[in-house]
Amino acid sequence: EDQVTQSPEALRLQEGESSSLNCSYTVSGLRGLFWYRQDPGKGPEFLFTLYSAGEEKEKERLKATLTKKESFLHITAPKPEDSATYLCAVRPDTDKLIFGTGTRLQVFP
Amino acid sequence: NAGVTQTPKFQVLKTGQSMTLQCAQDMNHEYMSWYRQDPGMGLRLIHYSVGAGITDQGEVPNGYNVSRSTTEDFPLRLLSAAPSQTSVYFCASKRGSTGELFFGEGSRLTVL
Repeated sequence: EDQVTQSPEALRLQEGESSSLNCSYTVSGLRGLFWYRQDPGKGPEFLFTLYSAGEEKEKERLKATLTKKESFLHITAPKPEDSATYLCAVRPDTDKLIFGTGTRLQVFP
Repeated sequence: NAGVTQTPKFQVLKTGQSMTLQCAQDMNHEYMSWYRQDPGMGLRLIHYSVGAGITDQGEVPNGYNVSRSTTEDFPLRLLSAAPSQTSVYFCASKRGSTGELFFGEGSRLTVL
């Protein structure tokens, strides 16, 4: 069964304290792994797509990496405005996205 | 650019009532979809469409209907609302079969 698990469920960081969010998956025929950011009361906003193991993508303080079993979203020197829920999703060969339950990140000044 | 627009943003229904959640996109995307988001669960696909006149069921289609008469619009109909349909609903679109989804702001529905 295709499955996506995100950890931790919630993460509290001090401003400037770097950390990583994890997305582990089991899927038949991975055709892409996606990271989204979701602010309270808003729709998810696209961040990254990764297609193959070893691929990395960066945007400001965020870097996403991919292995054959999991993806990490590294947050370097986070700021309070990085506070949000981060969602991971995978596209299997059925072409229907499967979403994880998200990691709620809070960054305190 | 408006992107994906959903209306209404909030709605309260009584059990048994029907209603339609509206979704429109101005990006000329072929693919449109509806998701529901519940606490402790990932976004779950309700219905999707790969083009005008074509719709298909997702993971949780029961109690919902959709139609796609134009490229721009993809309404979601609740036939007879139940408390289990209390949720936040998101419409999303993308170009073709690959690429990222663009989401609307969401519609929060409460069924009493």
